[in-house]
Amino acid sequence: NAGVTQTPKFRVLKTGQSMTLLCAQDMNHEYMYWYRQDPGMGLRLIHYSVGEGTTAKGEVPDGYNVSRLKKQNFLLGLESAAPSQTSVYFCASSSGGQGFYEQYFGPGTRLTVT
Amino acid sequence: GQQVMQIPQYQHVQEGEDFTTYCNSSTTLSNIQWYKQRPGGHPVFLIQLVKSGEVKKQKRLTFQFGEAKKNSSLHITATQTTDVGTYFCAGPGTSYDKVIFGPGTSLSVIP
Repeated sequence: NAGVTQTPKFRVLKTGQSMTLLCAQDMNHEYMYWYRQDPGMGLRLIHYSVGEGTTAKGEVPDGYNVSRLKKQNFLLGLESAAPSQTSVYFCASSSGGQGFYEQYFGPGTRLTVT
Repeated sequence: GQQVMQIPQYQHVQEGEDFTTYCNSSTTLSNIQWYKQRPGGHPVFLIQLVKSGEVKKQKRLTFQFGEAKKNSSLHITATQTTDVGTYFCAGPGTSYDKVIFGPGTSLSVIP
């Protein structure tokens, strides 16, 4: 099992460009999450999904969109990148919700917006 | 809104010294989880506490959940260089299915 994978690992964007981050999990998990990590601020939830075809907003959803067309994949989109979106992005999945289940994290994507 | 805080933000210890990080929530938690992130790595689940006053041990690590279920601590006895990393606590958000992470405590161990 690969667990949770993320592509790409690194990306540099110019302000105003768009991109999509892909997260894939092979554990048949229902729940998937996108977080951003900035120095001194821990992990902040951007969007999450409780099952195929569902998405919901987290703490910091502005400027991002997500889709969960297939159970194993969770896509994070930036339509018009801004320097404030420079961060490390982590995807995670869990077999259940309500914070009672272990989250498995991917290796992260380091995004720089210039 | 709900907040999860951790202190200290940074801790530098000599190898062999003990280390403790504290997690405090603004609301009562049904459970709390702890994760560890090595430098350059991703968070990895360590443990979950559910019961009021619960204490769990993993080798040199001792986790405690407060009686009021609003705070938790992680204590490492006789730190080793392998303990280096950032330790996060996380609790259920007030909104269904969200998880709120604390800002983390970064531990450095001086050999």
